[in-house]
Amino acid sequence: SYELTQPLSVSVALGQTATITCGGNNIGSKSVHWYQQKPGQAPVLVIYRDSNRPSGILERFSGSSSGNTATLTISRAQAGDEADYYCQVWDSSSRYVFGPGTKVTVL
Amino acid sequence: EVQLVESGGGLVQPGRSLRLSCAASGFTFDDYAMHWVRQAPGKGLEWVSGISWNSGSTGYVDSVEGRFTISRDNVKNSLYLQMDSLRVEDTALYYCTKGATFWSAYYEDSFDMWGQGTMVTVSS
Repeated sequence: SYELTQPLSVSVALGQTATITCGGNNIGSKSVHWYQQKPGQAPVLVIYRDSNRPSGILERFSGSSSGNTATLTISRAQAGDEADYYCQVWDSSSRYVFGPGTKVTVL
Repeated sequence: EVQLVESGGGLVQPGRSLRLSCAASGFTFDDYAMHWVRQAPGKGLEWVSGISWNSGSTGYVDSVEGRFTISRDNVKNSLYLQMDSLRVEDTALYYCTKGATFWSAYYEDSFDMWGQGTMVTVSS
């Protein structure tokens, strides 16, 4: 089965850049999507197909993917960015796979 | 405004059945695949099932295959999940989600709209 790995937590100073990684075998060949979930709320799609932002998502959110790692970058981090972030891919054998999630804390 | 509203959750004993519903509004429902994604208390996200825009294809996570059935009614703009032979490990918040790709099958997609979820608790 296909598995994704993410760091359990990432801390970032206010106004600095947070980098969240998502590891998977040859993930660069798949489309990677990222979701933000704040406490008590439903997830929100923030990046689709590696690096595309849905309408309404701030330019501070960006994504990339290559080799065995996909990355979500949050620039100029704000207190409102504190949330859990999940990566997600489609795999033909495992179907939809979510990463375990990364908790982002803004210091 | 795009809206997905789930209903039908509750407390049920192991082995019993439950049917979840999702009412969609604010978009052309029959143009998109729809999915159910669940989240156990304090845990991560798990895709449960998906159905193509025209009900032509469906898919399930292995752990629910043969027990759950997804369906949709494009006239009523509604999505359903019939859950039979429920297990304690099915306890979770069930989200109704919309596939992002126009006229998509249930696979190779992202989920661009989510409801607020309906809680299913399986316990004796």
